[in-house]
Parts: sequence; structure tokens; C-alpha cells
Amino acid sequence: NAGVTQTPKFRILKIGQSMTLQCTQDMNHNYMYWYRQDPGMGLKLIYYSVGAGITDKGEVPNGYNVSRSTTEDFPLRLELAAPSQTSVYFCASGRPTNEKLFFGSGTQLSVL
Amino acid sequence: GQQVMQIPQYQHVQEGEDFTTYCNSSTTLSNIQWYKQRPGGHPVFLIQLVKSGEVKKQKRLTFQFGEAKKNSSLHITATQTTDVGTYFCADQAGTALIFGKGTTLSVSS
Repeated sequence: NAGVTQTPKFRILKIGQSMTLQCTQDMNHNYMYWYRQDPGMGLKLIYYSVGAGITDKGEVPNGYNVSRSTTEDFPLRLELAAPSQTSVYFCASGRPTNEKLFFGSGTQLSVL
Repeated sequence: GQQVMQIPQYQHVQEGEDFTTYCNSSTTLSNIQWYKQRPGGHPVFLIQLVKSGEVKKQKRLTFQFGEAKKNSSLHITATQTTDVGTYFCADQAGTALIFGKGTTLSVSS
């Protein structure tokens, strides 16, 4: 099992560009999450999904969109990238409530 | 919104010294999970605490959940250089996991 796979690992965007961060898991987990991590700020929840076709906003959803068409994939879309979106993005997956999360290795994004 | 506060934000110790990080909330926590993130890495699950007053041990790590379920702590005995990293607590908020800001531990030999 590969676990949670994120691509790309690094990306530099210009202000106003768009991109999609890919996340896929092979553990048949229903729950998937997107977090961003800024230095000294911990992990902030952007969006999450409890199953295919169901998504919900987290703590900091503005400027992002998600979709969940399959159990395995949970892409994060950035529209009109802004410098404030410079961060490390982590995707995570888990089983229903009270189970641990498995994290991907992260995507380091810079918006210049 | 729901918040978990962690203190201290940073801690430097000499190898062999003990280390403790605290996680506090103004509201009752449903359950607490602890994660460790090595420098340049991703968070990795350490443990989950569910019951009031619960204490769990993993080798040199001791995890506690407060009696009122409003705080938790992670204590490392006799730190080693391999303990370096950021330790996060996280509270289950419905279907989402809300993380504290973490405590970054550095260890000098």
C-alpha cells in the first residue's frame, strides 16, 4: 500500500495563476482532509470530505475548492493564487470518527 | 470556533533532560490525538486519549488526559536526539480534527 500520495511535492505559482493539488489514497478510507501549515501556526483545516460526493468547509476555505468524485481521490483547487496561499499543504485520510489520520508527504507551494 | 492551545511553542533541552508539552481547551474535549512531525516531514499519529483521567505510555512517552477533559499533556523522559520535531495535539470536532499550533522540541547532545 502506498498510503496517501500527494503531487506535486513542490510548485511555484505566479499571482493569479490556478492549479490543482492532487491527493489519492489506497486504504479505502471514507474521510479525507486538506490542511495547510504555516510556520508556527499549526495545521489549519481547509476542506474535508466524509465520502464520495460529499464535501464541507473547514476553518480556512476561502480561495480553495474541492471535489470528491471517487473514494480514492480528493483534489484541491486553487483559483487566482495569492501570496497568502504560500504554505505547505497536507492531505490526510482516515476511517470514521475517532480513528487516526494518515498524512501525505505534503506539497510546498510558493505564490510569487 | 473550537480551539486547542499548546504550550510552550518552543522548547530546547539537553539530551537526557525531560520534556513536557501541554494542550489546553476552554471547552470539554471529545477526545485528544497526539501527532509528531519530524523536520521536513509530515505528521504521524502517536496516540489517542478518550477517557477522563486516562494515562497511556509508549516507552519514554507518557500521555495524560485531564479529569475534566479540558487538558492533556505529553511527557518525554530522558530525551534523545531522535525526539526532535513538532508535537501536535488535536481534538475531534465532529468529523474534523482540529490541531493546536504545536510545540517544537530541539535537543542538543
